[in-house]
Amino acid sequence: DAGITQSPRHKVTETGTPVTLRCHQTENHRYMYWYRQDPGHGLRLIHYSYGVKDTDKGEVSDGYSVSRSKTEDFLLTLESATSSQTSVYFCAISEQAGVYGYTFGSGTRLTVV
Amino acid sequence: EDKVVQSPLSLVVHEGDTVTLNCSYEVTNFRSLLWYKQEKKAPTFLFMLTSSGIEKKSGRLSSILDKKELFSILNITATQTGDSAVYLCAVIPRTQGGSEKLVFGKGTKLTVNP
Repeated sequence: DAGITQSPRHKVTETGTPVTLRCHQTENHRYMYWYRQDPGHGLRLIHYSYGVKDTDKGEVSDGYSVSRSKTEDFLLTLESATSSQTSVYFCAISEQAGVYGYTFGSGTRLTVV
Repeated sequence: EDKVVQSPLSLVVHEGDTVTLNCSYEVTNFRSLLWYKQEKKAPTFLFMLTSSGIEKKSGRLSSILDKKELFSILNITATQTGDSAVYLCAVIPRTQGGSEKLVFGKGTKLTVNP
């Protein structure tokens, strides 16, 4: 979607290496979210941010950290990648989700070998 | 714990059929329910429902919410192959502080055959 971009689009990495995924928005929305999507599990929240330097954990946060130093950027870091973190990662943004819902990025397909 | 259950998990129909997708939920302090369509990439927004009994409609798609029975349905009439996708249901609990985290169901995979 215009206004939200994720990078990289695809990545293959080795077990034990750190990996950082980037989400960039041009909408100036307050809230940003990282979800992972796996077959049989749907979309599960990893971490979210409600402002610069304000972040909190979601339901599957173990092994992940995030940072938001600017309104427009939300980074997701896998400290030491494991095969169980092979997934598709989606970033989403919202200003008032209860009114407008989320807008999703195009996703990052991460493979840990 | 907030929970969203969609059924069926997968469905195969022929072009022209009408389908009904189901979404039931358990959530503290319900605020909104949303439907998304996901093809190969990012989920795209279809509907948001906040009031019970009011149907939202867009072309061949429609949806309605029952807040008393805690469910929603998504109807697609005269299905086309382009309707093939995963349909996601999500709810937003009302929270203090406004974190507005969506809780998703696992989705219904719809396949429309010509």
